[in-house]
Amino acid sequence: EADIYQTPRYLVIGTGKKITLECSQTMGHDKMYWYQQDPGMELHLIHYSYGVNSTEKGDLSSESTVSRIRTEHFPLTLESARPSHTSQYLCASSEVRGTEAFFGQGTRLTVV
Amino acid sequence: AQSVTQLGSHVSVSEGALVLLRCNYSSSVPPYLFWYVQYPNQGLQLLLKYTSAATLVKGINGFEAEFKKSETSFHLTKPSAHMSDAAEYFCAVSGGNTGFQKLVFGTGTRLLVSP
Repeated sequence: EADIYQTPRYLVIGTGKKITLECSQTMGHDKMYWYQQDPGMELHLIHYSYGVNSTEKGDLSSESTVSRIRTEHFPLTLESARPSHTSQYLCASSEVRGTEAFFGQGTRLTVV
Repeated sequence: AQSVTQLGSHVSVSEGALVLLRCNYSSSVPPYLFWYVQYPNQGLQLLLKYTSAATLVKGINGFEAEFKKSETSFHLTKPSAHMSDAAEYFCAVSGGNTGFQKLVFGTGTRLLVSP
C-alpha cells in the first residue's frame, strides 16, 4: 500500500489568502508530482521534482510554486488565492527506476 | 510527446454486463500505459499497467487490458460489471524507454452501472 499523504483533504479559503498544500511520502521516492484536476475531472501536471532542490513546471501553467528541501516533502504554495484556483490537487511520487506513480488522496480547494 | 484519447466521457452498463472503456495513445517512444480508477472524493488507484512485457495485462477487481501496438490502443475490459465498479476511469501514458516519467492523462470516462 502506498504511503503518500496530503493535508488538508478539504480547504475553503477567502480570496487573497496565502495557502500551502502539504504532500509527504514515506517511500523514499525521488520523483514527486503535483496534478491539478478540473471540476470536469481532467488531470494536468503542474509541477514535478526529480530530487531534492530540483523543481520543474509541468504542462499546465500554474500560479502556484513548489519546493523540495527534503526527499519526503513536496509542498505547493499559492501566494494569493483566487476563485480560479478552485480545483482538486493531487500529489504523486515514483521511484527513479520505477514503473508507476502512487497518488495521495488529494486536496479539494475552494476559494471564495 | 505523448497523448491519450479516451472515447466516451460516460459509459453506462447494466450490472453483469461487459465493461469496455476505450483508450488510444500517441507516443514517440515505447510507452508505458496505465489505467487508474477514482472514486468520489478520492485519489487515483492503479488498476493495471503495461510496461513492455505481456501485451494482455490483468489488474485488480477483475479488470484487464490489451496493448495493441498496431491499433495504438489499450482498452480496458471487465467481463461482468458490478455496482461497485461505478467510478471515474483514467487512461495514462508515460515514456517507457528511459524508465517511468511523468504521466499524461486522458480526459476520463465515467462508468455508470445500473441494477
